[in-house]
Amino acid sequence: QKEVEQDPGPLSVPEGAIVSLNCTYSNSAFQYFMWYRQYSRKGPELLMYTYSSGNKEDGRFTAQVDKSSKYISLFIRDSQPSDSATYLCAMGPGAQKLVFGQGTRLTINP
Amino acid sequence: DTEVTQTPKHLVMGMTNKKSLKCEQHMGHRAMYWYKQKAKKPPELMFVYSYEKLSINESVPSRFSPECPNSSLLNLHLHALQPEDSALYLCASSHRQGQNTEAFFGQGTRLTVV
Repeated sequence: QKEVEQDPGPLSVPEGAIVSLNCTYSNSAFQYFMWYRQYSRKGPELLMYTYSSGNKEDGRFTAQVDKSSKYISLFIRDSQPSDSATYLCAMGPGAQKLVFGQGTRLTINP
Repeated sequence: DTEVTQTPKHLVMGMTNKKSLKCEQHMGHRAMYWYKQKAKKPPELMFVYSYEKLSINESVPSRFSPECPNSSLLNLHLHALQPEDSALYLCASSHRQGQNTEAFFGQGTRLTVV
């Protein structure tokens, strides 16, 4: 069993839809959770990070962490074609040894 | 400014060549990282430098040789690579190694070994 599980998709939704991306993990030591967006042939771009259970909102993006269930989510509201990318969850005790999910390929259709 | 700059963006090299990848950040970060990413896979950690000292080597073959000349610069020297080493090489940095920090990535160097 992988330490971090993420459905690779692909996921295709119409423009304006709410997108839900999820990861589960098994290591209770993970305290720090990040979401990266990666466009094709580019480096990962940090979208959200959090180190506690609960919700964190930034514009159209909301990150949610449930440590009791070992489950994290990223919600994208009012999705745009420019949101089409691969979304990677990453977690660990910090930046030193991040464990990445497989990435979910997302397409927003105009 | 959360920018990590990598050069070159693309590199094609033969198996007998020696080349170097360069990474620079001016965020005052004291931890820097090299990752390797194959197509449709997540990044894999190769090396970690903390305060200009190598702190983690994830059993990377010796044909990859990292160097940290100062707190802003990170190099990856390449020699006698194999075609299977073709990948996107990513540099990242964070405020400090350890807990409660986030990592910022550069745009990567796309390496092709022929």
